[in-house]
Amino acid sequence: DGGITQSPKYLFRKEGQNVTLSCEQNLNHDAMYWYRQDPGQGLRLIYYSQIVNDFQKGDIAEGYSVSREKKESFPLTVTSAQKNPTAFYLCASSARVQPQHFGDGTRLSIL
Amino acid sequence: DQQVKQNSPSLSVQEGRISILNCDYTNSMFDYFLWYKKYPAEGPTFLISISSIKDKNEDGRFTVFLNKSAKHLSLHIVPSQPGDSAVYFCAAHSRRNTDKLIFGTGTRLQVFP
Repeated sequence: DGGITQSPKYLFRKEGQNVTLSCEQNLNHDAMYWYRQDPGQGLRLIYYSQIVNDFQKGDIAEGYSVSREKKESFPLTVTSAQKNPTAFYLCASSARVQPQHFGDGTRLSIL
Repeated sequence: DQQVKQNSPSLSVQEGRISILNCDYTNSMFDYFLWYKKYPAEGPTFLISISSIKDKNEDGRFTVFLNKSAKHLSLHIVPSQPGDSAVYFCAAHSRRNTDKLIFGTGTRLQVFP
């Protein structure tokens, strides 16, 4: 079954800690994306990657970092520099000029 | 600056009737528009799209209309079913920047019996 897997579904972090959210896809898509959703708001782009070993900042990249060492994987690290990390994080992937497919998200909360 | 706006946060429609969800945009460079549907605790799923060279695209019960002069698009669902109850997001991008998908804030549709 092809799809996008995000783990964990729920994540709790203490203030000052970095935390990494996992995103894996087996759709053979070149492009992968990370979005953040806050209550009452649309999805906002954090980072995206069109190809392995390359990625670009989105609209709200401050306090986040990513890597793209493998085509299938695009982990997102929420660093301690992110002042308001509590949100719902969504990973997506797409083939060229095709709509983005989304995972089921990770909800991050600060203890 | 909200480039894609969904001014109705919620909509309630009786089963069997038409649901009309609206979306406005401000960026004239946008030339491709998509609708996504989202259930609670799940990621959005792609529903239907339209290119700016068209003014209508239909897929089963779902039709999207685009009015470029008004910078407005709408999603029509006919007939509405209880399983259509979800949050619907409108999104847009330009041909020059297909990776920068800009989302609206969503409209929660409830279809009641």
